[in-house]
Amino acid sequence: GEDVEQSLFLSVREGDSSVINCTYTDSSSTYLYWYKQEPGAGLQLLTYIFSNMDMKQDQRLTVLLNKKDKHLSLRIADTQTGDSAIYFCALKGFQKLVFGTGTRLLVSP
Amino acid sequence: SAVISQKPSRDICQRGTSLTIQCQVDSQVTMMFWYRQQPGQSLTLIATANQGSEATYESGFVIDKFPISRPNLTFSTLTVSNMSPEDSSIYLCSVEGTSGIGETQYFGPGTRLLVL
Repeated sequence: GEDVEQSLFLSVREGDSSVINCTYTDSSSTYLYWYKQEPGAGLQLLTYIFSNMDMKQDQRLTVLLNKKDKHLSLRIADTQTGDSAIYFCALKGFQKLVFGTGTRLLVSP
Repeated sequence: SAVISQKPSRDICQRGTSLTIQCQVDSQVTMMFWYRQQPGQSLTLIATANQGSEATYESGFVIDKFPISRPNLTFSTLTVSNMSPEDSSIYLCSVEGTSGIGETQYFGPGTRLLVL
């Protein structure tokens, strides 16, 4: 099956950029997603990218997809304390999503 | 995007009992899913809830333990049967919808279950 890996933890200072990385094994995914989970809450869809794209920008969020290296990243510009959460990448396989292991982002003032 | 609500939002249950979780969507959707998120873990798909037919379960999950109903295109229930402490998790309902250029999957707020 698909393996989707993320680093466990990232700590940044407010105002800096954050880059959260995701690597995967199956290259057949059509859509790749980033979700945010705040403490005690469900999952919020942040953004997604279609597999034939290399980059997508949405306000402070930039998604980069390197299909050759099977690497997906999420860059958050001007990171704020409200961005502190767990971030999951997810890949759309055959009719189902496969989630990464999650990265806990801590933003300090 | 779809608006999804779940009931209850949290519960504390005794081992050996069962709990039914409800999921309501504000629009008709074809695909509804149930996920489990164990403490400190990622999400695992339990099953796909099919309208008018039996749910499709993922490997490691069975109907006797997690019976699912899908009576119409806006509602589904998941029952966690004969609970044990290992069932303590967040259970999330999810639906698939379109957002202009493609398919996206939206999640409910989750049901936090603690089994004593």
